[in-house]
Amino acid sequence: QVQLQESGPGLVKPSETLSLTCTVSGGSISNYYWSWIRQPPGKGLEWIGYIYYSGSTNYNPSLKSRVTISVDTSKNQFSLKLSSVTAADTAVYYCARDQFLVRGVRVLGRYMDVWGKGTTVTVSS
Amino acid sequence: DIQMTQSPSSLSASVGDRVTITCRASQSISRYLNWYQQKPGKAPKLLIYTASSLQSGVPSRFSGSGSGTGFTLTISSLQPEDFATYYCQQSYSTPWTFGQGTKVEIK
Repeated sequence: QVQLQESGPGLVKPSETLSLTCTVSGGSISNYYWSWIRQPPGKGLEWIGYIYYSGSTNYNPSLKSRVTISVDTSKNQFSLKLSSVTAADTAVYYCARDQFLVRGVRVLGRYMDVWGKGTTVTVSS
Repeated sequence: DIQMTQSPSSLSASVGDRVTITCRASQSISRYLNWYQQKPGKAPKLLIYTASSLQSGVPSRFSGSGSGTGFTLTISSLQPEDFATYYCQQSYSTPWTFGQGTKVEIK
């Protein structure tokens, strides 16, 4: 079955860029959307954005000016870059498969059905 | 953005109890509503998608209902492994948004 694994530095300095990669194993990255979600300590879930395997993206407006999500189909990976980080960006970062349910041309649903285990990123000098 | 509001924020229940969690959307989202379970230190797990469809492998004691702006997640007979935090999430329009979570604790 499909598995996701996040990787990247666990500590980032303020004002620098957070960079994470999600590796997809057990299946192809093609024909799916892929999302990043984060969870600050003791708080709820925040969707960061998604990318389609073809490269088209959709970002949360609250983070749009600082976020870039990219995909490398040859490596079955997609990545997150978040620039100008502050302590407020300290969180567990998850990658997830953003599944869609289609009947004909109609999208009946979108849901995140496979998640990585998450990686903790702390922003501190 | 569509705001999702869950109630209650927390509840205490006993094994075998019937538990209901409510999620309300700030505008109509048809049936584009998903439920996730999260245990401490773990990633969220999809339970229910499109308001009432049970994800493969999820026990049948979990069920979802609703449409428009009001939705419910029901656990028909609470089991020890069900003590966790539950989140609703809308996928009607981006940005996808989550409820604040409902923590189900042991009574």
